[in-house]
Amino acid sequence: NAGVTQTPKFQVLKTGQSMTLQCAQDMNHEYMSWYRQDPGMGLRLIHYSVGAGITDQGEVPNGYNVSRSTTEDFPLRLLSAAPSQTSVYFCASSPTGLDYTFGSGTRLTVV
Amino acid sequence: GQQVMQIPQYQHVQEGEDFTTYCNSSTTLSNIQWYKQRPGGHPVFLIQLVKSGEVKKQKRLTFQFGEAKKNSSLHITATQTTDVGTYFCAALGAGGTSYGKLTFGQGTILTVHP
Repeated sequence: NAGVTQTPKFQVLKTGQSMTLQCAQDMNHEYMSWYRQDPGMGLRLIHYSVGAGITDQGEVPNGYNVSRSTTEDFPLRLLSAAPSQTSVYFCASSPTGLDYTFGSGTRLTVV
Repeated sequence: GQQVMQIPQYQHVQEGEDFTTYCNSSTTLSNIQWYKQRPGGHPVFLIQLVKSGEVKKQKRLTFQFGEAKKNSSLHITATQTTDVGTYFCAALGAGGTSYGKLTFGQGTILTVHP
């Protein structure tokens, strides 16, 4: 099993550009989540999903969209990048919604 | 929404000293989890506590869930340089029914001086 795979690992965007952060898991986990990590702020939940076709907002959803068309994939879309979205993004999955396996992260810089 | 406060934010210890981080909530938690993130790495699940007053051990690490299920602690005995990293607690959404909606504490950054 590859676990949770995130691509790309690093990305630089210009303000106003859009992009999609990819997340895939091969463990047949129903639950998937996206977090952003900023210094001193811990991990903040952006969006999460409890199964294919079902998504919900987390603590900081503004500026981000998600979809869950398959169990395996949970992409995160930045609609119009802003410098405030400079962060490290983690995708995670869980079979139970309790114990999550995290991907290695995407470090995003918006200039 | 669910809020989990974690203290201290930073802890510097000499190798061999003990370390404790605390997690507190204003509401009753259905369960609490602990994660470790090494510098430059990603969070890794350590353990889950569910029962009131529960205590679990993993080698030098002791995890405790408060009797009222509103607080938790992680204690490391005789720290080693391999313990360096950020330790996070995490809890489910309000009411414990929002499975998948995990709220993390701010984390405690542990530095161990050899």
